[in-house]
Amino acid sequence: ETGVTQTPRHLVMGMTNKKSLKCEQHLGHNAMYWYKQSAKKPLELMFVYSLEERVENNSVPSRFSPECPNSSHLFLHLHTLQPEDSALYLCASSQEGPGGGEKLFFGSGTQLSVL
Amino acid sequence: GEDVEQSLFLSVREGDSSVINCTYTDSSSTYLYWYKQEPGAGLQLLTYIFSNMDMKQDQRLTVLLNKKDKHLSLRIADTQTGDSAIYFCAEPIKAAGNKLTFGGGTRVLVKP
Repeated sequence: ETGVTQTPRHLVMGMTNKKSLKCEQHLGHNAMYWYKQSAKKPLELMFVYSLEERVENNSVPSRFSPECPNSSHLFLHLHTLQPEDSALYLCASSQEGPGGGEKLFFGSGTQLSVL
Repeated sequence: GEDVEQSLFLSVREGDSSVINCTYTDSSSTYLYWYKQEPGAGLQLLTYIFSNMDMKQDQRLTVLLNKKDKHLSLRIADTQTGDSAIYFCAEPIKAAGNKLTFGGGTRVLVKP
């Protein structure tokens, strides 16, 4: 138990569906992250929120839309995805500060399959 | 470039030592990290080393850092079946606001 909970664990969706991934952290951290883990690529940072403000958006297609309503919750809204978006989506949190922002606590991920 | 590179796969017998290697790119990194990912789980911070150190030992884990060659290694002594996982090295990239860049991961398989 890392203190970061992601739901659902598995998701299958069609290309025309709209779904959302949820992440909740119970660690009192002030930064949250979305990462994409594909089978044959290094871990890709998608979005970073620090103190509920988006500070990083790594050229992610607009079909992925993050939302951070408070420092404990992070969502990733999905719409009109492509089959190549199938991957494990990992949420992480950290406490920003000297060296702290590099010690990430990860959830177990949502395994997404786009048909 | 900003690639952190690792070998893809390592097979080791239970009880032997495992050595996982990594090359990194940013010589200004203050800390370098090893994360572990067990099947069906997210990444978990395993250990880290401060850049002014050459070695750090933590129970069965030994981290070695060669700053001149930008080479980081993780040695696991007396490898157990529970050590089967994917191991990622990671460094903060200054040009990316010190956000972590991960290597591709080394899959370690421990055979009985």
